[in-house]
Amino acid sequence: KNEVEQSPQNLTAQEGEFITINCSYSVGISALHWLQQHPGGGIVSLFMLSSGKKKHGRLIATINIQEKHSSLHITASHPRDSAVYICAVPASGGGADGLTFGKGTHLIIQP
Amino acid sequence: SQTIHQWPATLVQPVGSPLSLECTVEGTSNPNLYWYRQAAGRGLQLLFYSVGIGQISSEVPQNLSASRPQDRQFILSSKKLLLSDSGFYLCAWSVMEPSQYFGPGTRLTVL
Repeated sequence: KNEVEQSPQNLTAQEGEFITINCSYSVGISALHWLQQHPGGGIVSLFMLSSGKKKHGRLIATINIQEKHSSLHITASHPRDSAVYICAVPASGGGADGLTFGKGTHLIIQP
Repeated sequence: SQTIHQWPATLVQPVGSPLSLECTVEGTSNPNLYWYRQAAGRGLQLLFYSVGIGQISSEVPQNLSASRPQDRQFILSSKKLLLSDSGFYLCAWSVMEPSQYFGPGTRLTVL
């Protein structure tokens, strides 16, 4: 089964700073998810990527399949970006047996 | 378009009482269905997944069970809740791995 490590666990930054969250996994995968969870608990899917880089607004996700590593970047961070960011990968690499999740990065952006 | 419903949104139950959480998906056929749980201070964990009616796979031994009586209905149950069953329960669906789409979640508090 895949294992996921995320870092940092907690991150506090000032508004406008460039944010990087890292994710490593143990088993080769077909794709990796970045998710956002707000205090109410609901999960929003930000990205699913299998290679290279994806960008959506101020969010950028990159993945290096050979290194089994992905990063999530936030440019010009804003207090509304405060949330828990979670990396997730297929539990067994690519089958239908669900996702394995990192423990999440709790991000706080201060005005 | 596809939608996923979960109810109730929040639930407070006494120890020893039964539990039934329901998840339904609209706008797709023969989805894979998943139940995840996030216990307090912990990451999301896969509980059950189903690739078809009546087909349930369990990932971890626990006080819970799942059933899939219809193609787009997934039910999470318990005969007697424990304090440790408290948490945030997420249902998800997929028709093409590794994509997954998450429901709004149910926050369960067992007192």
